[in-house]
Amino acid sequence: QVQLVQSGAEVKKPGASVKVSCKASGYSLTSYGIHWVRQAPGQRLEWMGWINAGNGNTKYSQKFQGRVTITSDTSASTANMELSSLRSEDTAVYYCARDQGELVFDYWGQGTLVTVSS
Amino acid sequence: SYVLTQPPSVSVAPGQTARITCGGNNIGSKSVHWYQQKPGLAPVLVVYDDSDRPSGIPERFSGSNSGNTATLTISRVEAGDEADYYCQVWHSSSDPPVVFGGGTKLTVL
Repeated sequence: QVQLVQSGAEVKKPGASVKVSCKASGYSLTSYGIHWVRQAPGQRLEWMGWINAGNGNTKYSQKFQGRVTITSDTSASTANMELSSLRSEDTAVYYCARDQGELVFDYWGQGTLVTVSS
Repeated sequence: SYVLTQPPSVSVAPGQTARITCGGNNIGSKSVHWYQQKPGLAPVLVVYDDSDRPSGIPERFSGSNSGNTATLTISRVEAGDEADYYCQVWHSSSDPPVVFGGGTKLTVL
């Protein structure tokens, strides 16, 4: 069955970077896009960007442009999201999600809590 | 950017019908998707492309979309339906192109 398993919780200091991984199983990573969505405490879901793991093309929300990098390692069936210059407002649960097509997210990772605190 | 507006909360008794709305400018011209999120868990797709259901989602979940409002309807509501529900669209000419509504907390009385 399709699964997306994310790396564990992280605690970072302001100004640092964090890298969250998302390992896909049950399907070929290169056949579907992977999106990253975050959710700050008590807030709505917020789209950050996505990668076409088949060709490596990416697109990011302008809000995160310059701070976020999404990559994929097809040999490891893993997508990664790195966010730099962290600030307290980046404290959130970060999710990866598979795009079944037409930007419909049919499978989600379990989420990774990133806490930014001095 | 494109804005989707949902009511913060909807309450319904077990066995009744819940309707959760999602408002957006000419949203009827877009495909709307709905996600259910229970506390501490990842979202789950319950309706896509306005009214289609993924496999495994009960027929009690249905959707419609017209004009400036999309609606998720949950018939014969059960206690297990209590969750936050989010609508989502793709708006290619805005940034971000993937937009979520603010979420609606469904309370089963």
